Amino acid sequence: AQSVAQPEDQVNVAEGNPLTVKCTYSVSGNPYLFWYVQYPNRGLQFLLKYITGDNLVKGSYGFEAEFNKSQTSFHLKKPSALVSDSALYFCAVRDIPTGRRALTFGSGTRLQVQP
Amino acid sequence: GAGVSQSPSNKVTEKGKDVELRCDPISGHTALYWYRQRLGQGLEFLIYFQGNSAPDKSGLPSDRFSAERTGESVSTLTIQRTQQEDSAVYLCASSTSERYNEQFFGPGTRLTVL
Repeated sequence: AQSVAQPEDQVNVAEGNPLTVKCTYSVSGNPYLFWYVQYPNRGLQFLLKYITGDNLVKGSYGFEAEFNKSQTSFHLKKPSALVSDSALYFCAVRDIPTGRRALTFGSGTRLQVQP
Repeated sequence: GAGVSQSPSNKVTEKGKDVELRCDPISGHTALYWYRQRLGQGLEFLIYFQGNSAPDKSGLPSDRFSAERTGESVSTLTIQRTQQEDSAVYLCASSTSERYNEQFFGPGTRLTVL
């Protein structure tokens, strides 16, 4: 069965500093990986995805993520955090061999960027 | 263009009552998903529709939960004899049929069972 782990419930970072939100996954074959962001009282917004190809994926709002197959990780990064980046971030995986379209989500990491 | 819409945005009901939640996907999106998000937790998959294929119901937690979709448009999620543990935000998402396209989420329906 596929699973996703986000080991940190909350990440605190000062504005202007780089940020990393961690995600590790477990699947039976090759994964499709996604990051979503959830702002208060709003639905999830797509940030970026990894399907195949370059391990470094660039997405919306200056975010990027690095796929590491050997470590089964897909950490979300941004070189310089903004206060407006404060939100709840979810990592998600689709297990390609099963053909199952539904995503399996991590428990979420709350990012708090201090001014 | 218009995104995924859900109604109602909030629903408060009494234990034992039935509730119906509605989702309008993005026009042209053939795939539709329902997820549940309990307070402080990630999303749990409930059910998936793709065109005229049989839905994937593997995530429905009990036979009190059911969902329907008319063609490639509106979907309704019905919870019968609601229980307090059903309290959650119910999120709907849609995507194109292209196999690895991202899902676009609606704002959710917050269900509170008293």
